[in-house]
Amino acid sequence: NAGVMQNPRHLVRRRGQEARLRCSPMKGHSHVYWYRQLPEEGLKFMVYLQKENIIDESGMPKERFSAEFPKEGPSILRIQQVVRGDSAAYFCASSPPTPAADTQYFGPGTRLTVL
Amino acid sequence: AQSVTQPDIHITVSEGASLELRCNYSYGATPYLFWYVQSPGQGLQLLLKYFSGDTLVQGIKGFEAEFKRSQSSFNLRKPSVHWSDAAEYFCAVGLPLNAGNMLTFGGGTRLMVKP
Repeated sequence: NAGVMQNPRHLVRRRGQEARLRCSPMKGHSHVYWYRQLPEEGLKFMVYLQKENIIDESGMPKERFSAEFPKEGPSILRIQQVVRGDSAAYFCASSPPTPAADTQYFGPGTRLTVL
Repeated sequence: AQSVTQPDIHITVSEGASLELRCNYSYGATPYLFWYVQSPGQGLQLLLKYFSGDTLVQGIKGFEAEFKRSQSSFNLRKPSVHWSDAAEYFCAVGLPLNAGNMLTFGGGTRLMVKP
């Protein structure tokens, strides 16, 4: 049973470019979460999605960041016009449908470096 | 809003010694409580979780944690540490699904193990 998959594992972008991070949840999981980990810090919640729905985006920066979880395919976290401060590790987690939705399983992360 | 505090940023123990990592949370009710471990450059692995019931929870790799409501704490313990336990440990607080379901993480405790 494959775990949560994220790609790419490492991504390098120049300032002003776009970054696209992908997350495939565990099989049977319908909830996806994105978290950001800045260097030497804990993880901070960004967004919670179900298929075709954004449930909670209270942790997303107001500009340049967007997320989707389409009916088919992986969840995508998109960062437009990246800046140096976007350099971080971005983790995706997934959880099964209710009533077992309260435990989140994490992927290996995408480490974004902005030059 | 809930918050999580891990007072110890770094801890060093000798191999074979016992370990206790501290975690305190702030929340109006009893949240769901988790401990995750992160090895360098890796994602987060779930060690154990507490939702309700017995306040002493057993996890993987010989870890256990005890929920103490009166102290708002959920400390992680291991009776005998192995060199492979060197990693960063994160305590996290979760809300029930109908209250948002995001995890709030502590800042982490980096464990080093001396031979």
